Amino acid sequence: NAGVTQTPKFQVLKTGQSMTLQCAQDMNHEYMSWYRQDPGMGLRLIHYSVGAGITDQGEVPNGYNVSRSTTEDFPLRLLSAAPSQTSVYFCASSSHRDRQVGEQYFGPGTRLTVT
Amino acid sequence: AQSVAQPEDQVNVAEGNPLTVKCTYSVSGNPYLFWYVQYPNRGLQFLLKYITGDNLVKGSYGFEAEFNKSQTSFHLKKPSALVSDSALYFCAVSLLLTGGGNKLTFGTGTQLKVEL
Repeated sequence: NAGVTQTPKFQVLKTGQSMTLQCAQDMNHEYMSWYRQDPGMGLRLIHYSVGAGITDQGEVPNGYNVSRSTTEDFPLRLLSAAPSQTSVYFCASSSHRDRQVGEQYFGPGTRLTVT
Repeated sequence: AQSVAQPEDQVNVAEGNPLTVKCTYSVSGNPYLFWYVQYPNRGLQFLLKYITGDNLVKGSYGFEAEFNKSQTSFHLKKPSALVSDSALYFCAVSLLLTGGGNKLTFGTGTQLKVEL
């Protein structure tokens, strides 16, 4: 199993550009989520999905959009990039049955810089 | 609202010595507590969790954590540190969301540096 994969690993955008961060998992996990990691702030939840066709907002959803058309994929779209979105983005997945008590599996991250 | 505090930004320890990385939490109801580790340029990896039962939880790589309800703490420990343990450690508490999702609330992280 590849686990959770993310592409690209690095990206530089200009303010106002849009892009999609890709996330895929091959563990047949129902639950997937996106976090951003900023220095001194830990990780914060952006959006999550409990299954194909179902998404919901986390604590910092503004400026981001998600969709979940398949169990495997959960892309994160930046609609109009802003410097405040410079961060490291992590995708995670876990089994739906264990979603509160089970561990989440994290991808390697995408380091995004917005100039 | 739930929260997690890691009071130390960095912990330095000599190889072979015991290590402790501190975590305190604030939740309503039963806490579901986790420790994750992040190596440079990598994603987070699960170390251990406390759900219920024995207050001493054993995890990966020789790590363990002690749950203390009266002190609302969940400190990470290892009897003998290795240089390879040097990494960023996150404490987290889990919350079920009304939409059926799950949110991990993370502490700000503690950088562990183990020196020869």
